[in-house]
Amino acid sequence: NAGVTQTPKFRVLKTGQSMTLLCAQDMNHEYMYWYRQDPGMGLRLIHYSVGEGTTAKGEVPDGYNVSRLKKQNFLLGLESAAPSQTSVYFCASRPGGNTGELFFGEGSRLTVL
Amino acid sequence: ELKVEQNPLFLSMQEGKNYTIYCNYSTTSDRLYWYRQDPGKSLESLFVLLSNGAVKQEGRLMASLDTKARLSTLHITAAVHDLSATYFCAVNPYTDKLIFGTGTRLQVFP
Repeated sequence: NAGVTQTPKFRVLKTGQSMTLLCAQDMNHEYMYWYRQDPGMGLRLIHYSVGEGTTAKGEVPDGYNVSRLKKQNFLLGLESAAPSQTSVYFCASRPGGNTGELFFGEGSRLTVL
Repeated sequence: ELKVEQNPLFLSMQEGKNYTIYCNYSTTSDRLYWYRQDPGKSLESLFVLLSNGAVKQEGRLMASLDTKARLSTLHITAAVHDLSATYFCAVNPYTDKLIFGTGTRLQVFP
């Protein structure tokens, strides 16, 4: 079972370049999330979506954009990458309702030089 | 703004010993989750606690939730090396978000 799949797994960018991270889930989940993980700071929520066509800001949304054109996909974009965006990015999904646990992808390690 | 604090941040313990990790949060919630993360890996769900007084156990780990104190604990019994990992608690404050604590890195040595 694929679950939550993130691509790419690794990427190196130069400052100012743009890129998109793709998250795909095959569990028909309503909710999808993008987190970033930095040493000593746990996971911080960037953006999330409660359904196809919807997005909302999390704790640290600046410098990122997202889109959810299809229910199974949640894209995270960096328009002009900065070294401060060097991090490991995790996508997660869960079913509708407020009791569901999150299912995580394997993570995408991004380095901005 | 919801704050989720874990302590300790780092825990080095000897095999066979017991210890407790604490997770405090700053707003009303009765939904709390514990996750485990091995180095370089993704997060794995351990426990889902959905009401005051909830207690869940799996092997050497036991989690509990006290919503009045806004506190959850993860108790480790007779630690073994395989439990070495980083443990996160996360709180759902009656919104669509799940907010994570900073994590507790556990190292179990012989």
